[in-house]
Amino acid sequence: ILNVEQSPQSLHVQEGDSTNFTCSFPSSNFYALHWYRWETAKSPEALFVMTLNGDEKKKGRISATLNTKEGYSYLYIKGSQPEDSATYLCARYNQGGKLIFGQGTELSVKP
Amino acid sequence: DAMVIQNPRYQVTQFGKPVTLSCSQTLNHNVMYWYQQKSSQAPKLLFHYYDKDFNNEADTPDNFQSRRPNTSFCFLDIRSPGLGDAAMYLCATSTTGSPVSEQFFGPGTRLTVL
Repeated sequence: ILNVEQSPQSLHVQEGDSTNFTCSFPSSNFYALHWYRWETAKSPEALFVMTLNGDEKKKGRISATLNTKEGYSYLYIKGSQPEDSATYLCARYNQGGKLIFGQGTELSVKP
Repeated sequence: DAMVIQNPRYQVTQFGKPVTLSCSQTLNHNVMYWYQQKSSQAPKLLFHYYDKDFNNEADTPDNFQSRRPNTSFCFLDIRSPGLGDAAMYLCATSTTGSPVSEQFFGPGTRLTVL
């Protein structure tokens, strides 16, 4: 994998459903993986910054795992709520001090 | 609240007419970034400043320039906008630019080129 790839591109779930999506990235020379949430008409906000293989982070109903050896991270949302509707972006930190973003997963939660 | 502010939120310009987008921050962060995001694509870094040190991405067109007159402000100048430059432009800051430094984003400026 040369780029950061996210799947699916979009996701529609019902309120109360749990959901997850994937970020895949090059596993060599790994430094850190960032997750951001971007609600419409607002600023992207950091959710997690992860560095260690096997790391798991949690913020409320949202959690993320990291596998640096195989180059993927999962984001989980338990009991989705309409306010979780947003685009979720992951980004791999590259040597040179920059983030390489995926194209995002657009989540829509219907009441 | 400390924040990253982008003005304007929406900008319409004509093909070939220079345009400047602005970004300001009250976080006193050392690093400032400009990203371009075209529809349904990943945000793409155009350039960043570490303090006054300017770092241009190799594939950023010459048409795009930037200025950082002081810690708080950073500008993106598009000298001759083409139709392909229509996009969302995001400004972001971070404390040190280290791997674990999260980036703080503004709400973006959506540029339309007529």
